[in-house]
Amino acid sequence: GNSVTQMEGPVTLSEEAFLTINCTYTATGYPSLFWYVQYPGEGLQLLLKATKADDKGSNKGFEATYRKETTSFHLEKGSVQVSDSAVYFCALIQFSGGYNKLIFGAGTRLAVHP
Amino acid sequence: KAGVTQTPRYLIKTRGQQVTLSCSPISGHRSVSWYQQTPGQGLQFLFEYFSETQRNKGNFPGRFSGRQFSNSRSEMNVSTLELGDSALYLCASSLAGGKNIQYFGAGTRLSVL
Repeated sequence: GNSVTQMEGPVTLSEEAFLTINCTYTATGYPSLFWYVQYPGEGLQLLLKATKADDKGSNKGFEATYRKETTSFHLEKGSVQVSDSAVYFCALIQFSGGYNKLIFGAGTRLAVHP
Repeated sequence: KAGVTQTPRYLIKTRGQQVTLSCSPISGHRSVSWYQQTPGQGLQFLFEYFSETQRNKGNFPGRFSGRQFSNSRSEMNVSTLELGDSALYLCASSLAGGKNIQYFGAGTRLSVL
């Protein structure tokens, strides 16, 4: 079945460091890929998305490229801030006949220190 | 435009009771999905409703049920609560399902004692 695998956390960085969170997926067909972020005590917020191979999603300095050949969608940011501390979820959407089901990775906690 | 609204934000129940959670989607969105988030299992899909019909269901027991009203608002019900039902329940809405982006509410945190 379809699945998403993320690197385990927590990831601890100093402010202005470079961030990479690895995400790989297994899917039939051509899923859309997403990164969601969850701040403490809140729901999920969409961070970025990509709908086809080689698409690059970007938002708030974060980027991820849909790599079909390596089935990956790694999240990167050039310079993290303390306010980026949160849990990040990689996800794909399984689409079949109109069904709309997100499949999530386990999440990666990021802690950024001043 | 208002986002997805879930009520209540927090609930405390005891084993054996039942509970109903509510979700108001973004205006114009017709698809509502429910997810359960726990530390052990992560985020798991419960079910999706579109135009008052359940289109898809995850691997949860029949104690978990839901419905959607004509105004697209949705409710989720859990009967005969168990300790393991303690979780954050998240609702997400999208325009019409498929590959449309899902927007999440803040969730309802259910504690079962």
